[in-house]
Amino acid sequence: AQKVTQAQTEISVVEKEDVTLDCVYETRDTTYYLFWYKQPPSGELVFLIRRNSFDEQNEISGRYSWNFQKSTSSFNFTITASQVVDSAVYFCALSEGTGGSYIPTFGRGTSLIVHP
Amino acid sequence: GAVVSQHPSRVICKSGTSVKIECRSLDFQATTMFWYRQFPKQSLMLMATSNEGSKATYEQGVEKDKFLINHASLTLSTLTVTSAHPEDSSFYICSALNQGVWMETQYFGPGTRLLVL
Repeated sequence: AQKVTQAQTEISVVEKEDVTLDCVYETRDTTYYLFWYKQPPSGELVFLIRRNSFDEQNEISGRYSWNFQKSTSSFNFTITASQVVDSAVYFCALSEGTGGSYIPTFGRGTSLIVHP
Repeated sequence: GAVVSQHPSRVICKSGTSVKIECRSLDFQATTMFWYRQFPKQSLMLMATSNEGSKATYEQGVEKDKFLINHASLTLSTLTVTSAHPEDSSFYICSALNQGVWMETQYFGPGTRLLVL
């Protein structure tokens, strides 16, 4: 069974603050993929990152960074120096990599509101 | 990068009518496409997996006779909401699986907002 928990329903910050979005997952598979997507008010899902279960290296992309820790089954996402344009719903997702199943299970999402 | 389109982007219809939503992979062939539904302030819920040339696989609780899926070509899947009712109003998102040499990548369409009056 797969499960993705995004405990933070909504986060509100002021521009330039750093913010971390939490994601905790459950899977019995040793091979799996983790994703983060951004969904702005327009509705279109924007792919941010995919990480496989064998790569625990943290990733940084501009103001975005991801912390993958298998020991705590977490894949947290940090936005540094947040901007108003970062306001969106962010989804963490998990898919098992074996058996040909790449269908992600999505968390409930975290709504991030960045105030000017 | 790969692009998936959906048409229409928005549709308003009367209760009892049927609505067809198209999902196209524009620059790759997709033997597998997926249909999701998202209610306001909620997560994406997988409705069905659309397989080219064969019947779709529906998730538990999704009525296959109500949500007809046709995947007639490697670049097109359609979702028809038959006899739509107000409770079918939702945001429908499709995705297409691009089977690359090393791995499969899922690309999402921009979504279709359906409002049933």
